[in-house]
Amino acid sequence: KQEVTQIPAALSVPEGENLVLNCSFTDSAIYNLQWFRQDPGKGLTSLLLIQSSQREQTSGRLNASLDKSSGRSTLYIAASQPGDSATYLCAVRINTNAGKSTFGDGTTLTVKP
Amino acid sequence: DTAVSQTPKYLVTQMGNDKSIKCEQNLGHDTMYWYKQDSKKFLKIMFSYNNKELIINETVPNRFSPKSPDKAHLNLHINSLELGDSAVYFCASSQVGGAASNYGYTFGSGTRLTVV
Repeated sequence: KQEVTQIPAALSVPEGENLVLNCSFTDSAIYNLQWFRQDPGKGLTSLLLIQSSQREQTSGRLNASLDKSSGRSTLYIAASQPGDSATYLCAVRINTNAGKSTFGDGTTLTVKP
Repeated sequence: DTAVSQTPKYLVTQMGNDKSIKCEQNLGHDTMYWYKQDSKKFLKIMFSYNNKELIINETVPNRFSPKSPDKAHLNLHINSLELGDSAVYFCASSQVGGAASNYGYTFGSGTRLTVV
C-alpha cells in the first residue's frame, strides 16, 4: 500500500526566502507525481506534474524534482512571497489503469511580509 | 471555460436527510473521482469511474452511491446523512487511457457539506 508523507507539516518563512517542501512515498512503482496548492476554503490547484520518466519540472518560481529510487520529491519555491501562503499537497499516482492517487497530508506554508 | 464544476458549493442539511452533489467536466477526460476532505484536511479517495464504469470503490458506507450517466458527469447521492458525513467533497477528473494519458488531476472547487 502506497504511503505518502509530507514534512514539515507547517512552515513559516520571511518573504524573499527560498524554501523546499518534501514529499516521500513508499512504493517507487509510480505513474506520476503531482503537486497542488490549496488556499483556505478553496479547491486544489495543480502546480506541477512530473511523469515517472522525468526528473524535474519547472514553472516560474517553482521547481519540482522526482527521485523514484529514493521515493522522494521536492518542491522548491524561489523568492517566496506572501501570496505563496497556502497548503501544498503532493499526490502520487500508482502504476495502474485505475489512475488512483494517494495524497500526502500537506505542508501549510506561511510567508510573512 | 474548461473546468470541473460541482454543485452546490455549500450544503447544510439535517441528519437523516438524503442529498445529492453533482459534478461535470468538459475536459474530455475519461476518468472522474470523488474525494473527501475531512476537518483535518486529509484527502481520501471515495470512488472512481472510468468511461462510466466504477473502477475504484474504497471503504465507503453503502449510504453513498455514485452515479455516472456519461463520462462527463459523476454525481454523488448520500442517504440518511449523519453528523460524521460533514466534510468537503471534491470532484476531480483525469485522462487515464490513450495517447493523452499523461495528464494529472483537475479538481472542482468542492462542496462543503454540513450535517446538523
